Amino acid sequence: AQKVTQAQTEISVVEKEDVTLDCVYETRDTTYYLFWYKQPPSGELVFLIRRNSFDEQNEISGRYSWNFQKSTSSFNFTITASQVVDSAVYFCALSEAKGNTGKLIFGQGTTLQVKP
Amino acid sequence: DTGVSQNPRHKITKRGQNVTFRCDPISEHNRLYWYRQTLGQGPEFLTYFQNEAQLEKSRLLSDRFSAERPKGSFSTLEIQRTEQGDSAMYLCASSLAAQGHPGGYTFGSGTRLTVV
Repeated sequence: AQKVTQAQTEISVVEKEDVTLDCVYETRDTTYYLFWYKQPPSGELVFLIRRNSFDEQNEISGRYSWNFQKSTSSFNFTITASQVVDSAVYFCALSEAKGNTGKLIFGQGTTLQVKP
Repeated sequence: DTGVSQNPRHKITKRGQNVTFRCDPISEHNRLYWYRQTLGQGPEFLTYFQNEAQLEKSRLLSDRFSAERPKGSFSTLEIQRTEQGDSAMYLCASSLAAQGHPGGYTFGSGTRLTVV
């Protein structure tokens, strides 16, 4: 069965602190895709990253970085030097290649609050 | 292109009434997805279309729900005989191909349904 677990329900940090959002997934498929989305108060899900199961290289984009480890089925997201504008709900999601449906299985989300 | 557009943004309806939501995807995207998000949870897959064909429906989509995508352009989601449990945010997403390659799935801002 497919499942995505984001164990951290809420995280609160002070501006400029680094913060890591955890994501653990379960799948029986050998080919799959992992995503991170940001949902600000406006409600629209904003795409952050897509990673396929064959690419375990870590990725950095500005203050954002992602650590993909197949051995532990984890795809963690780190924000360096957090800012108030980073406050949002962050979702990790999984999409299996089998069946080619492209449907996303989301975790429950982590609410990040960055205080000034 | 202005992205994925959903209308209305908010809908309040009395229990037992029918409601219809509309989603206008990015014009060149052939895949269109509907998700439902309840408070404090991640979005859950409801159904998806490739062009005008509805290819999969979740078990969450009871017989009171119906979705269409005539001519492979905009899509509508209708809920008949609404119940209080239908209160949620209904999100639409589109993509150029399966697995959201390369830029992920583009989500609309959603339609928030409140059944009173």
